Amino acid sequence: DQQVKQNSPSLSVQEGRISILNCDYTNSMFDYFLWYKKYPAEGPTFLISISSIKDKNEDGRFTVFLNKSAKHLSLHIVPSQPGDSAVYFCAAINTNAGKSTFGDGTTLTVKP
Amino acid sequence: EPEVTQTPSHQVTQMGQEVILRCVPISNHLYFYWYRQILGQKVEFLVSFYNNEISEKSEIFDDQFSVERPDGSNFTLKIRSTKLEDSAMYFCASRLGRESRDQPQHFGDGTRLSIL
Repeated sequence: DQQVKQNSPSLSVQEGRISILNCDYTNSMFDYFLWYKKYPAEGPTFLISISSIKDKNEDGRFTVFLNKSAKHLSLHIVPSQPGDSAVYFCAAINTNAGKSTFGDGTTLTVKP
Repeated sequence: EPEVTQTPSHQVTQMGQEVILRCVPISNHLYFYWYRQILGQKVEFLVSFYNNEISEKSEIFDDQFSVERPDGSNFTLKIRSTKLEDSAMYFCASRLGRESRDQPQHFGDGTRLSIL
């Protein structure tokens, strides 16, 4: 049972445009959500998070939206830059349990 | 900025041999984790560790696996008798306190384990 799903394995966007990465989850016990960015040969790097009590969190060019009723979250990057090209993982946590459950990742390519 | 460090970056081991993967978490962090990522697949949770004991483990973390915090700084993952399917990137992570809104896990760069 895949509790966190990222249905798009890849996304290609032109520099300066918006990148939208999507994530769906099934476990209603998840109450904290994170996006990590991963470059080849490096570990995941924390990008932005959102608590289930919010529906939006913004940090510079990055905004995460949470739709609890749809069990869906998305990461918006605007404007996209070539340096944003990486694999983006969505992760969900039940804060009573503690571990992170990761999605499969979406490879974002931002073209100059 | 403090970081989680993992050694070695690449470990090659014969099938059936024991291997120990080492991690130095961020010094004031209290919660420690191991994850793995088989090539082309998702990052999978293995185990979490707090207060010198395992707090949670996945189905992957069977009797062949063990973790230890032998001193105040290292956190190790041991695989007793490696199998071909153990080949993966192994990521260590640490976190300051109980999972909360402002305390994400910080990951090391991983150890690539290759079983021959």
